[in-house]
Amino acid sequence: DQQVKQNSPSLSVQEGRISILNCDYTNSMFDYFLWYKKYPAEGPTFLISISSIKDKNEDGRFTVFLNKSAKHLSLHIVPSQPGDSAVYFCAASEVQTGANNLFFGTGTRLTVIP
Amino acid sequence: DSGVTQTPKHLITATGQRVTLRCSPRSGDLSVYWYQQSLDQGLQFLIQYYNGEERAKGNILERFSAQQFPDLHSELNLSSLELGDSALYFCASSVGGGLEFFGPGTRLTVL
Repeated sequence: DQQVKQNSPSLSVQEGRISILNCDYTNSMFDYFLWYKKYPAEGPTFLISISSIKDKNEDGRFTVFLNKSAKHLSLHIVPSQPGDSAVYFCAASEVQTGANNLFFGTGTRLTVIP
Repeated sequence: DSGVTQTPKHLITATGQRVTLRCSPRSGDLSVYWYQQSLDQGLQFLIQYYNGEERAKGNILERFSAQQFPDLHSELNLSSLELGDSALYFCASSVGGGLEFFGPGTRLTVL
């Protein structure tokens, strides 16, 4: 059973516009959420994270929003750049319970069109 | 460069065979995690070791096993290989838990 879901396998955005990637989860015990970016032939690279005590975390062009009641998080990239084209994975873990392995979604392939 | 190294980068073998994938974590990281990514799938957690001890188990088949050595490097052993075991295998490491740094992966092809 997939505990973390990314329902959009792909997204295309014009350069300079906002990219919004969505993620839903089912496990209410998740308390730490991460976004990873993956280029072909490379391992996932950590992008940004958020703890369940927050509802927003910002790092430069990247902002992650967490809606605990809806069990939903999103990653906003603004402005989008061609170099942002990659597969983005949402991940979650239960850090407080010590079960801190990550559960990943299936990824969203973002294409930023110049 | 995440600081996590994996060897080999590519591995091609036949059904029924056994292979060993190797991972060296980042300096200072005590936790090692193994993940499998099949075609068009997300990363599936296989197993975690912390300072030499098994900490958590995910969807790891009985034909697969892992260990973490005193120098903290880890090996994932895959035996009686089947076509469906063809995948990317990633190792990740962390100091404790939550934030993991991934290696470049080993692409396993079973023919």
